[in-house]
Amino acid sequence: EAAVTQSPRNKVAVTGGKVTLSCNQTNNHNNMYWYRQDTGHGLRLIHYSYGAGSTEKGDIPDGYKASRPSQENFSLILELATPSQTSVYFCASGDADRTEVFFGKGTRLTVV
Amino acid sequence: AQSVDQPDAHVTLYEGASLELRCSYSYSAAPYLFWYVQYPGQSLQFLLKYITGDAVVKGTKGFEAEFRKSNSSFNLKKSPAHWSDSAKYFCALENTGYQNFYFGKGTSLTVIP
Repeated sequence: EAAVTQSPRNKVAVTGGKVTLSCNQTNNHNNMYWYRQDTGHGLRLIHYSYGAGSTEKGDIPDGYKASRPSQENFSLILELATPSQTSVYFCASGDADRTEVFFGKGTRLTVV
Repeated sequence: AQSVDQPDAHVTLYEGASLELRCSYSYSAAPYLFWYVQYPGQSLQFLLKYITGDAVVKGTKGFEAEFRKSNSSFNLKKSPAHWSDSAKYFCALENTGYQNFYFGKGTSLTVIP
């Protein structure tokens, strides 16, 4: 069964601090995604990747960096966290066009 | 510009009734459309997809959706609804060629036993 694992599941960070959200998939999928989910906005794409070494900007990349060091791992980095980045973050993986994506269980990030 | 609209933020109905959740899209090319479900406190799960072919597609958990090119809609249906269908439902459109997805804001469904 397709598996996407996110860590940590919950995180409290201070304003101005650095936060790294990690994602691991064992599906051997080429594509990986980071979304954030906020009330009234649904899911919005932050960054995505087509494979190791690749990162692409999504719809709301400002304030976020991404890193894809391997096929399995995709990280989202907040260099200087702000309270507006308080949200639930979902990682997902998928393969070529027209296939569904598989989501992790989410990370609840609170920036105080 | 591409977009997905789910006009109903909340839908409430009684168990045994028929449910239909609305989704409309805007896209310049042939759309690839998906429905996902999110149960409280959980992640998103795939329900079904439309790529090409028959306008009515069937998915998991007894759901089906109808693609209508004439009015750019992809509505999710199930009959009868069960209390366990209470969840948030997301319609999604694939950004073809870029292999990423646009999601609607979701519809929260409450089925009263």
